[in-house]
Amino acid sequence: EDQVTQSPEALRLQEGESSSLNCSYTVSGLRGLFWYRQDPGKGPEFLFTLYSAGEEKEKERLKATLTKKESFLHITAPKPEDSATYLCAVQSTPPGKLIFGQGTTLQVKP
Amino acid sequence: EAQVTQNPRYLITVTGKKLTVTCSQNMNHEYMSWYRQDPGLGLRQIYYSMNVEVTDKGDVPEGYKVSRKEKRNFPLILESPSPNQTSLYFCASSPRTSGGAGETQYFGPGTRLLVL
Repeated sequence: EDQVTQSPEALRLQEGESSSLNCSYTVSGLRGLFWYRQDPGKGPEFLFTLYSAGEEKEKERLKATLTKKESFLHITAPKPEDSATYLCAVQSTPPGKLIFGQGTTLQVKP
Repeated sequence: EAQVTQNPRYLITVTGKKLTVTCSQNMNHEYMSWYRQDPGLGLRQIYYSMNVEVTDKGDVPEGYKVSRKEKRNFPLILESPSPNQTSLYFCASSPRTSGGAGETQYFGPGTRLLVL
């Protein structure tokens, strides 16, 4: 059975304190791994897509990486506006089916 | 403005009273999907549609129905709602189908449903 596990569940950082969020997955055939950001009371917002091991994507203070078993979302010198819940999702087969992890809630204190 | 709209945004109903949550997108996307989000369980896929007249089950389809008669609309139907369907529901759309349905997936604002 396909499964996605995110850790930690919650993370508190001081502004400027870099860290990483983990997304471990078990799927029969990975078609894509996706990262989303969700602010309270809103729908998730797409951040990155990763398709193959070794791939990396960057956007401002965020960098996503992918191995054969897990993905990391690295946050460099975070700011309070980076506070949100970060969701990881994988797509295997059938192609339209998506499985989400439970998310990591990040709080960045000034 | 490119967007996914859902109606209603908030709904309180009683057990057994049929309801429909509408979802519409104005981006000509082929792929649409419904999710429910519950504390501690995360986001779970209910149904998805790869294109008009093509729908398939996600992880938690029991108690729900969908239809895709037009490209822009993907309503979620609860024919006999029960309290365990109390949840936050999200509709989403994407221009990709095979291999990248999760990429650039646009989510609606959510519908908060309470079934008494």
